[in-house]
Amino acid sequence: DAGVIQSPRHEVTEMGQEVTLRCKPISGHNSLFWYRQTMMRGLELLIYFNNNVPIDDSGMPEDRFSAKMPNASFSTLKIQPSEPRDSAVYFCASRRQGGKNIQYFGAGTRLSVL
Amino acid sequence: AQTVTQSQPEMSVQEAETVTLSCTYDTSENNYYLFWYKQPPSRQMILVIRQEAYKQQNATENRFSVNFQKAAKSFSLKISDSQLGDTAMYFCAFMKVNTDKLIFGTGTRLQVFP
Repeated sequence: DAGVIQSPRHEVTEMGQEVTLRCKPISGHNSLFWYRQTMMRGLELLIYFNNNVPIDDSGMPEDRFSAKMPNASFSTLKIQPSEPRDSAVYFCASRRQGGKNIQYFGAGTRLSVL
Repeated sequence: AQTVTQSQPEMSVQEAETVTLSCTYDTSENNYYLFWYKQPPSRQMILVIRQEAYKQQNATENRFSVNFQKAAKSFSLKISDSQLGDTAMYFCAFMKVNTDKLIFGTGTRLQVFP
């Protein structure tokens, strides 16, 4: 089985531009998570979905961030407008409910906002 | 709120030797899960081992085992017969039962020397 697939692997953009990160969860998994990893704050949960419905977005830093899950096999995390402090590695993870609560992570997207 | 503390920012070990990584956590919950994730230079977050708090028996996965001390709120990871491929950041994580939120420690960077 393919794991969690994230794209792009790297993204370099200029301040003020819109950035869209994409995630395809593992087939059959019904929970999806977006994390951000920085040196200062470590790994922090931004938002998660169960059955395509956002459950907890309390970790989303501000209104510039938004996430969608239009179907069970695709999610996006959008930053508009982007700022240099958004530079980080963004991870997507998925989990099968009832599956030992194990979250499987993608390879992450390294975002650099200049 | 739950917190996870990894007090060793860096560790090193010689190939074939044994190393133990420390993790403590703070919670008032009785039922929860604990995890160790590995993040090699490739950046992928990989599950190493999982422990359910209601199980007294320590989890093991091949060369990896944990020492789970519930009363002391301690969850250390022992790597036996260390291999060069074990070089990575190791993150300890906590999840309360019936939630989906993983709370991560700050990580321990492990270097395995030949």
